[in-house]
Amino acid sequence: ILNVEQSPQSLHVQEGDSTNFTCSFPSSNFYALHWYRWETAKSPEALFVMTLNGDEKKKGRISATLNTKEGYSYLYIKGSQPEDSATYLCAPPRGGSYIPTFGRGTSLIVHP
Amino acid sequence: SAVISQKPSRDICQRGTSLTIQCQVDSQVTMMFWYRQQPGQSLTLIATANQGSEATYESGFVIDKFPISRPNLTFSTLTVSNMSPEDSSIYLCSVLTGPAYEQYFGPGTRLTVT
Repeated sequence: ILNVEQSPQSLHVQEGDSTNFTCSFPSSNFYALHWYRWETAKSPEALFVMTLNGDEKKKGRISATLNTKEGYSYLYIKGSQPEDSATYLCAPPRGGSYIPTFGRGTSLIVHP
Repeated sequence: SAVISQKPSRDICQRGTSLTIQCQVDSQVTMMFWYRQQPGQSLTLIATANQGSEATYESGFVIDKFPISRPNLTFSTLTVSNMSPEDSSIYLCSVLTGPAYEQYFGPGTRLTVT
């Protein structure tokens, strides 16, 4: 079983603050890492698929970086808004397969 | 992309009964999965639903408890059998598709067992 760690477990920020979370995973047998956003009562929404060491992807105010050699990925949110409140999940695949293995997620709450 | 629907969206069931959850995808996909999220936990893979053959179960999950059908490339069912309160979870159907193996999820089925 792949050991995926996400930190912090939860985060409260004020509207306008920028924030970031970490996803740590074993660096061997890496194929791709997925980031998802999961709002309450909705299904998880794919944010990024990252495959290459040094990858940096951006979607609006959200961006992510990947370091496969040291086994971590960062997700950044610039100028947080209340609608960013959600659980952010990272999922590197299990070694030898495409099937993502999920961390526990970081729960973000943005206060107006 | 893939659009996935699930039925029912939620249910409250009695201990000892069974519930079948349906998953419908708007396109043919090879890789389809069933996950659950118990309260306070991460998404846990139950099984890979294989078209035309028996599902592949993860450690800790067995066919007698979670029988799965996959009659074609757009549809699957998961049955939660002989339910107990510990089965109260959100159950999600998911597919991997596209050149980048993007993963898409259904809206989930929120199950409460009393």
